Amino acid sequence: AQRVTQPEKLLSVFKGAPVELKCNYSYSGSPELFWYVQYSRQRLQLLLRHISRESIKGFTADLNKGETSFHLKKPFAQEEDSAMYYCALSLTGKLIFGQGTTLQVKP
Amino acid sequence: DTEVTQTPKHLVMGMTNKKSLKCEQHMGHRAMYWYKQKAKKPPELMFVYSYEKLSINESVPSRFSPECPNSSLLNLHLHALQPEDSALYLCASRRRLAAQETQYFGPGTRLLVL
Repeated sequence: AQRVTQPEKLLSVFKGAPVELKCNYSYSGSPELFWYVQYSRQRLQLLLRHISRESIKGFTADLNKGETSFHLKKPFAQEEDSAMYYCALSLTGKLIFGQGTTLQVKP
Repeated sequence: DTEVTQTPKHLVMGMTNKKSLKCEQHMGHRAMYWYKQKAKKPPELMFVYSYEKLSINESVPSRFSPECPNSSLLNLHLHALQPEDSALYLCASRRRLAAQETQYFGPGTRLLVL
């Protein structure tokens, strides 16, 4: 069955430290993967999609088909990065979300 | 207009009330979604409309009744809800561009059922 796993419920780092939010997926086809972010009291926003290979707010994510992973990385975390991050797999018009990781960046 | 809007922002209702949630987008997207989100959990898909027709119903109880009057509007009619239905209700629309699909979310309606 198609599934997205985010193994960490909470990731706490200090400002300026590197960040890696893990995402693994289970899907036999060619995946279309996204990272969404939800800041406190704000709407769920698209952060990255794997196809565009862009960097948004300093975040990058690389699809590793061999490891079926799509980890989100940022070299230097900022306090304003504190939010809930969801990895999602697009499948026939549906989004399958992981359980989310709360990123807490401490000053 | 490049956003999905939702009204009301907050709603408190009793278990015998009837209310409706409204969602609007003017981006020309032809697929629209309703999700339910509990605190610190991912959104759970409820319904999908594609070209104004209901295409997916994720076994949602009949006390939730969706409606898509036109390509820009999506409603969710609520009747005889239970306290456990209290949640953030999110609407989304989907853009398809060059075989890539992206969902854009509204800010949600925070519903409290007493």
